[in-house]
Amino acid sequence: GAGVSQTPSNKVTEKGKYVELRCDPISGHTALYWYRQSLGQGPEFLIYFQGTGAADDSGLPNDRFFAVRPEGSVSTLKIQRTERGDSAVYLCASSPKVGSEQYFGPGTRLTVT
Amino acid sequence: AQTVTQSQPEMSVQEAETVTLSCTYDTSESNYYLFWYKQPPSRQMILVIRQEAYKQQNATENRFSVNFQKAAKSFSLKISDSQLGDTAMYFCAFMNLHGGSEKLVFGKGTKLTVNP
Repeated sequence: GAGVSQTPSNKVTEKGKYVELRCDPISGHTALYWYRQSLGQGPEFLIYFQGTGAADDSGLPNDRFFAVRPEGSVSTLKIQRTERGDSAVYLCASSPKVGSEQYFGPGTRLTVT
Repeated sequence: AQTVTQSQPEMSVQEAETVTLSCTYDTSESNYYLFWYKQPPSRQMILVIRQEAYKQQNATENRFSVNFQKAAKSFSLKISDSQLGDTAMYFCAFMNLHGGSEKLVFGKGTKLTVNP
């Protein structure tokens, strides 16, 4: 079946602009995660959804970052007033149950100029 | 908070030989999972192997095996018969099973190059 997909694959935006990054998880996976991977680093956790609700948003760096999953499937990560430090690869992952493998998408590379 | 340390930023190995990647972690929890993920230049994170902390037996997946030392908080990955396709970044990751969050905590990664 289809894996996790993310769109766009690359996004270039100007400092101060608003961006939305989309994640389509594997069908039937109730858990969805967002991570951010800066150059030369491992992924860092941002937020975790179980169904439609954010079960853990402790990794969001500040209130410019927000994520939704209104119908328990597709999720959108929203970044307001982008800054150059937001430049990174944003990874999405989904899993079918607690403790099982997280299946990652190919990521969105965000560049803020 | 849990931390994961990978002390080898880069490693190389000749094709068909064996290489071991190191990982240590710090936690006060007793129930957790450990993972090794592979990330080729395509950016796609791929699960290599998983270890449940309550299992004493080391996990194996074909050419990949781990040496899990719970008391030492060590979780190394051994790749046997290395292949050119094994060239990638390898990340060690920790998942705490208490507290409701299934987030992965990653190390900084080891860049592995397999030479022909």
